[in-house]
Amino acid sequence: GEDVEQSLFLSVREGDSSVINCTYTDSSSTYLYWYKQEPGAGLQLLTYIFSNMDMKQDQRLTVLLNKKDKHLSLRIADTQTGDSAIYFCAESPFDNDMRFGAGTRLTVKP
Amino acid sequence: EAGVVQSPRYKIIEKKQPVAFWCNPISGHNTLYWYLQNLGQGPELLIRYENEEAVDDSQLPKDRFSAERLKGVDSTLKIQPAELGDSAVYLCASSLSGGAVDTQYFGPGTRLTVL
Repeated sequence: GEDVEQSLFLSVREGDSSVINCTYTDSSSTYLYWYKQEPGAGLQLLTYIFSNMDMKQDQRLTVLLNKKDKHLSLRIADTQTGDSAIYFCAESPFDNDMRFGAGTRLTVKP
Repeated sequence: EAGVVQSPRYKIIEKKQPVAFWCNPISGHNTLYWYLQNLGQGPELLIRYENEEAVDDSQLPKDRFSAERLKGVDSTLKIQPAELGDSAVYLCASSLSGGAVDTQYFGPGTRLTVL
Protein backbone atom coordinates (compact mmCIF):
# COMPACT_ATOMS: atom_id res chain seq x y z
CA GLY A 1 0.00 0.00 0.00
CA GLU A 2 0.93 3.65 -0.14
CA ASP A 3 0.44 4.47 3.54
CA VAL A 4 2.76 4.29 6.50
CA GLU A 5 0.89 1.82 8.70
CA GLN A 6 0.67 1.53 12.45
CA SER A 7 -1.69 -0.23 14.81
CA LEU A 8 -4.03 2.33 16.34
CA PHE A 9 -4.01 1.36 20.01
CA LEU A 10 -1.69 -0.19 22.59
CA SER A 11 -2.36 -0.61 26.30
CA VAL A 12 0.29 -1.67 28.82
CA ARG A 13 0.78 -1.74 32.58
CA GLU A 14 3.16 0.68 34.24
CA GLY A 15 6.63 -0.83 34.42
CA ASP A 16 6.12 -3.15 31.44
CA SER A 17 7.77 -2.66 28.07
CA SER A 18 5.81 -1.19 25.17
CA VAL A 19 6.48 -2.10 21.56
CA ILE A 20 4.98 0.03 18.83
CA ASN A 21 5.26 -1.27 15.29
CA CYS A 22 5.26 0.50 11.94
CA THR A 23 5.46 -0.53 8.30
CA TYR A 24 6.74 2.12 5.94
CA THR A 25 6.46 2.32 2.19
CA ASP A 26 9.53 3.75 0.50
CA SER A 27 12.80 1.84 0.50
CA SER A 28 14.60 5.05 -0.51
CA SER A 29 13.85 6.55 2.90
CA THR A 30 17.16 7.57 4.36
CA TYR A 31 15.87 8.37 7.82
CA LEU A 32 12.96 7.01 9.81
CA TYR A 33 11.50 8.84 12.76
CA TRP A 34 9.42 8.41 15.88
CA TYR A 35 7.42 11.39 17.14
CA LYS A 36 5.33 11.71 20.31
CA GLN A 37 2.19 13.84 20.56
CA GLU A 38 0.58 14.62 23.90
CA PRO A 39 -3.00 15.97 24.09
CA GLY A 40 -3.30 19.52 22.75
CA ALA A 41 0.35 19.68 21.81
CA GLY A 42 2.41 19.50 18.67
CA LEU A 43 4.66 16.62 17.72
CA GLN A 44 7.92 16.10 19.58
CA LEU A 45 10.77 14.23 17.91
CA LEU A 46 11.71 11.25 20.10
CA THR A 47 14.35 9.58 18.01
CA TYR A 48 15.36 8.72 14.46
CA ILE A 49 17.38 6.00 12.80
CA PHE A 50 19.53 6.10 9.69
CA SER A 51 18.56 3.48 7.13
CA ASN A 52 21.94 1.69 7.24
CA MET A 53 21.46 0.88 10.94
CA ASP A 54 19.58 -2.08 12.42
CA MET A 55 19.18 -0.75 15.92
CA LYS A 56 19.50 2.44 17.91
CA GLN A 57 19.23 2.75 21.67
CA ASP A 58 18.65 5.96 23.56
CA GLN A 59 18.02 5.53 27.31
CA ARG A 60 14.62 3.78 27.61
CA LEU A 61 14.01 3.85 23.86
CA THR A 62 15.15 1.17 21.42
CA VAL A 63 14.46 1.45 17.69
CA LEU A 64 14.72 -1.64 15.49
CA LEU A 65 14.79 -1.43 11.70
CA ASN A 66 14.21 -4.27 9.26
CA LYS A 67 14.87 -2.79 5.83
CA LYS A 68 13.97 -5.96 3.97
CA ASP A 69 10.45 -5.95 5.40
CA LYS A 70 10.29 -2.13 5.72
CA HIS A 71 9.43 -2.61 9.37
CA LEU A 72 10.27 -0.21 12.16
CA SER A 73 9.58 -0.64 15.85
CA LEU A 74 9.90 1.48 18.97
CA ARG A 75 10.39 -0.22 22.32
CA ILE A 76 9.89 1.78 25.50
CA ALA A 77 11.36 0.06 28.54
CA ASP A 78 9.83 0.50 32.01
CA THR A 79 6.84 2.37 30.58
CA GLN A 80 5.53 5.15 32.82
CA THR A 81 2.15 6.89 32.95
CA GLY A 82 3.83 9.96 31.47
CA ASP A 83 4.53 7.94 28.33
CA SER A 84 0.81 7.88 27.54
CA ALA A 85 0.50 9.71 24.22
CA ILE A 86 0.14 9.13 20.49
CA TYR A 87 3.29 7.90 18.76
CA PHE A 88 3.83 8.59 15.07
CA CYS A 89 6.17 6.77 12.76
CA ALA A 90 7.45 8.83 9.80
CA GLU A 91 9.56 8.14 6.74
CA SER A 92 11.60 10.58 4.71
CA PRO A 93 11.79 9.32 1.11
CA PHE A 94 14.61 10.51 -1.08
CA ASP A 95 13.76 13.83 -2.71
CA ASN A 96 10.32 13.90 -1.10
CA ASP A 97 8.63 15.19 1.99
CA MET A 98 8.18 13.38 5.28
CA ARG A 99 5.23 10.98 5.47
CA PHE A 100 3.55 10.11 8.76
CA GLY A 101 1.56 7.12 9.92
CA ALA A 102 -1.84 7.56 11.57
CA GLY A 103 -0.35 7.20 15.03
CA THR A 104 -0.55 4.62 17.83
CA ARG A 105 -2.33 5.70 21.00
CA LEU A 106 -0.39 4.29 23.96
CA THR A 107 -2.30 3.99 27.22
CA VAL A 108 -0.31 3.16 30.36
CA LYS A 109 -2.35 1.77 33.25
CA PRO A 110 -1.07 2.18 36.81
CA GLU B 1 14.34 29.81 23.83
CA ALA B 2 10.74 30.07 22.65
CA GLY B 3 9.39 27.26 20.54
CA VAL B 4 7.19 27.54 17.48
CA VAL B 5 4.30 29.86 18.29
CA GLN B 6 0.91 29.54 16.66
CA SER B 7 -2.26 31.56 17.03
CA PRO B 8 -5.07 31.28 17.55
CA ARG B 9 -5.11 27.96 19.39
CA TYR B 10 -8.77 27.41 18.62
CA LYS B 11 -11.07 28.86 15.99
CA ILE B 12 -14.76 28.22 15.34
CA ILE B 13 -16.32 29.68 12.21
CA GLU B 14 -19.30 29.12 10.00
CA LYS B 15 -18.82 27.61 6.56
CA LYS B 16 -18.05 30.03 3.76
CA GLN B 17 -16.30 32.39 6.18
CA PRO B 18 -12.60 33.20 5.80
CA VAL B 19 -10.03 32.23 8.44
CA ALA B 20 -6.33 32.86 8.93
CA PHE B 21 -3.69 31.15 11.05
CA TRP B 22 -0.39 32.65 12.12
CA CYS B 23 2.94 30.99 12.84
CA ASN B 24 6.16 32.34 14.29
CA PRO B 25 8.99 29.84 13.83
CA ILE B 26 12.00 29.35 16.06
CA SER B 27 14.45 32.20 15.59
CA GLY B 28 17.03 31.39 12.92
CA HIS B 29 15.05 28.53 11.36
CA ASN B 30 15.02 28.92 7.59
CA THR B 31 12.50 26.22 6.77
CA LEU B 32 8.84 26.48 7.72
CA TYR B 33 6.15 23.86 7.20
CA TRP B 34 2.37 23.92 7.38
CA TYR B 35 0.69 20.58 8.04
CA LEU B 36 -2.93 19.49 8.19
CA GLN B 37 -3.83 16.90 10.83
CA ASN B 38 -7.26 15.31 10.62
CA LEU B 39 -8.69 13.54 13.66
CA GLY B 40 -7.06 10.16 14.11
CA GLN B 41 -4.50 10.78 11.38
CA GLY B 42 -0.89 11.81 11.10
CA PRO B 43 0.12 15.23 9.78
CA GLU B 44 0.02 15.81 6.03
CA LEU B 45 2.22 18.47 4.48
CA LEU B 46 0.44 21.42 2.90
CA ILE B 47 3.37 23.69 2.07
CA ARG B 48 7.07 24.08 2.80
CA TYR B 49 9.01 27.33 2.72
CA GLU B 50 12.76 27.81 2.41
CA ASN B 51 13.13 31.36 3.68
CA GLU B 52 10.42 33.29 1.83
CA GLU B 53 10.14 30.88 -1.10
CA ALA B 54 7.45 28.22 -1.26
CA VAL B 55 9.45 25.19 -2.50
CA ASP B 56 6.72 22.57 -2.16
CA ASP B 57 3.04 23.52 -2.31
CA SER B 58 1.82 20.56 -4.33
CA GLN B 59 -0.61 19.46 -1.59
CA LEU B 60 -2.08 22.90 -0.96
CA PRO B 61 -5.65 23.20 -2.35
CA LYS B 62 -5.03 26.42 -4.19
CA ASP B 63 -8.65 27.18 -4.97
CA ARG B 64 -9.31 28.11 -1.36
CA PHE B 65 -6.02 27.94 0.54
CA SER B 66 -3.20 30.47 0.39
CA ALA B 67 -0.06 31.02 2.39
CA GLU B 68 2.65 33.59 2.64
CA ARG B 69 5.93 34.05 4.44
CA LEU B 70 6.89 37.63 3.95
CA LYS B 71 10.47 38.44 4.95
CA GLY B 72 11.14 34.77 5.51
CA VAL B 73 10.10 34.73 9.18
CA ASP B 74 6.42 34.63 10.22
CA SER B 75 3.89 32.89 8.07
CA THR B 76 0.13 32.99 7.62
CA LEU B 77 -2.14 30.32 6.20
CA LYS B 78 -5.54 31.42 4.94
CA ILE B 79 -8.67 29.58 3.92
CA GLN B 80 -11.33 31.41 1.95
CA PRO B 81 -14.06 30.28 1.94
CA ALA B 82 -13.91 27.57 4.62
CA GLU B 83 -15.81 24.30 4.11
CA LEU B 84 -17.06 21.79 6.66
CA GLY B 85 -14.31 19.37 5.64
CA ASP B 86 -11.62 21.87 6.60
CA SER B 87 -12.24 21.13 10.30
CA ALA B 88 -8.88 19.85 11.53
CA VAL B 89 -5.73 20.86 13.39
CA TYR B 90 -3.31 23.01 11.42
CA LEU B 91 0.26 22.50 12.57
CA CYS B 92 3.24 24.70 11.87
CA ALA B 93 6.79 23.40 12.15
CA SER B 94 10.22 24.86 11.54
CA SER B 95 13.73 23.54 11.06
CA LEU B 96 17.18 24.95 10.48
CA SER B 97 17.90 23.82 6.95
CA GLY B 98 15.23 21.41 5.71
CA GLY B 99 17.47 18.37 5.22
CA ALA B 100 16.28 14.81 5.82
CA VAL B 101 17.74 14.58 9.32
CA ASP B 102 17.01 18.19 10.15
CA THR B 103 14.76 18.11 13.21
CA GLN B 104 11.37 19.67 12.70
CA TYR B 105 10.01 21.47 15.75
CA PHE B 106 6.24 21.63 15.89
CA GLY B 107 3.95 24.26 17.31
CA PRO B 108 0.86 23.31 19.35
CA GLY B 109 -1.43 23.74 16.35
CA THR B 110 -4.63 25.62 15.65
CA ARG B 111 -7.79 23.56 15.99
CA LEU B 112 -10.32 24.75 13.41
CA THR B 113 -13.99 23.87 13.66
CA VAL B 114 -16.20 24.80 10.71
CA LEU B 115 -19.94 24.75 11.48
